[in-house]
Amino acid sequence: DQQVKQNSPSLSVQEGRISILNCDYTNSMFDYFLWYKKYPAEGPTFLISISSIKDKNEDGRFTVFLNKSAKHLSLHIVPSQPGDSAVYFCAVEAGGGNKLTFGTGTQLKVEL
Amino acid sequence: KAGVTQTPRYLIKTRGQQVTLSCSPISGHRSVSWYQQTPGQGLQFLFEYFSETQRNKGNFPGRFSGRQFSNSRSEMNVSTLELGDSALYLCASSFRTGGGNEQFFGPGTRLTVL
Repeated sequence: DQQVKQNSPSLSVQEGRISILNCDYTNSMFDYFLWYKKYPAEGPTFLISISSIKDKNEDGRFTVFLNKSAKHLSLHIVPSQPGDSAVYFCAVEAGGGNKLTFGTGTQLKVEL
Repeated sequence: KAGVTQTPRYLIKTRGQQVTLSCSPISGHRSVSWYQQTPGQGLQFLFEYFSETQRNKGNFPGRFSGRQFSNSRSEMNVSTLELGDSALYLCASSFRTGGGNEQFFGPGTRLTVL
């Protein structure tokens, strides 16, 4: 039973436009929601996180939105750059430790 | 500041053997977590160690075990290897545990079981 789902395996966006990556979860008890990106042959890199008591968190070009009633999380990247091309994973944390449950990932391709 | 290092980077074993993977966290980090990544199951949490104590455990059989030393370095061991254990094993370190904090991942150890 997949607790965290990323329904779009891939996304293609033009440079300078907005990239929107989506994630759905099933358990309302999750405390924190995170986004990581991964380049080939490297480990995931942390991007941004949000706690369950907030609905928005911004860090530079990256903004995460949390809709608790819909159990939906999204990551907005504005403006998108070619270097953003990577696999993006959403992850949830149930509190009490660093145990993360990851989604299946979305391959983002930013084209010139 | 040096990142998370994992050794070895690549490993080939045969079914039934056992393997030990090593992870050196970023200096000062006390939490080390291990993940398994496979094409079919994605990234799955194995366990977390914090100050030498196992703090969390994922849904893996007892063949998967780990430990953490007083210098925060961690090892994971897989006994009686099966073909399905072929995967990329990632470790991640962080200064504290919980709270949505950033975990720093190493490059992983690619294990192939023949």
